Amino acid sequence: SQQGEEDPQALSIQEGENATMNCSYKTSINNLQWYRQNSGRGLVHLILIRSNEREKHSGRLRVTLDTSKKSSSLLITASRAADTASYFCATDSNTGNQFYFGTGTSLTVIP
Amino acid sequence: DTAVSQTPKYLVTQMGNDKSIKCEQNLGHDTMYWYKQDSKKFLKIMFSYNNKELIINETVPNRFSPKSPDKAHLNLHINSLELGDSAVYFCASSQVQGGEKLFFGSGTQLSVL
Repeated sequence: SQQGEEDPQALSIQEGENATMNCSYKTSINNLQWYRQNSGRGLVHLILIRSNEREKHSGRLRVTLDTSKKSSSLLITASRAADTASYFCATDSNTGNQFYFGTGTSLTVIP
Repeated sequence: DTAVSQTPKYLVTQMGNDKSIKCEQNLGHDTMYWYKQDSKKFLKIMFSYNNKELIINETVPNRFSPKSPDKAHLNLHINSLELGDSAVYFCASSQVQGGEKLFFGSGTQLSVL
């Protein structure tokens, strides 16, 4: 399967701490994306990193990509209670016309 | 204005029934998708349409039939519902086929009893 796999499955931290979650995938990609899903809601796009990029920042988010290890990480700095959600990585297919998701990391930020 | 809207949000029905889920996007996107999220939160693509044409059909049973009357709408009709169809179904869109960013609806939670 081409799907991404997030690790850990669940993560619980105190407000203000940093949260790191990882994604591994199996085949070559053009880009990798991270999405957030709040309980009972649809997924919301957070950030995209292309295969020729190694690191990308957006506000409190930092994404890294290591294509040699087929892995990516999402770091949320100075976490807030509102960051509580599930986080998914998505990789594109060989044809680039669809995206593969994993089962996500469930993040709980304790106030 | 909701970018991608799907109805209903909740659907509870008996096995064997036929039901439909509607999806509309007002973003002017060319490509629309249906995803299924199971109880373990695994999100799997079912269908993709580009300008009303079927692009992807990921080994979904024939009981599932998508219909795209125009590029702003992609509806999902399910015949002879089974217990295993219980899941959350998400509609999504992207600007173009292979577009880099997906916009999701808020989901339809289907419960088959």
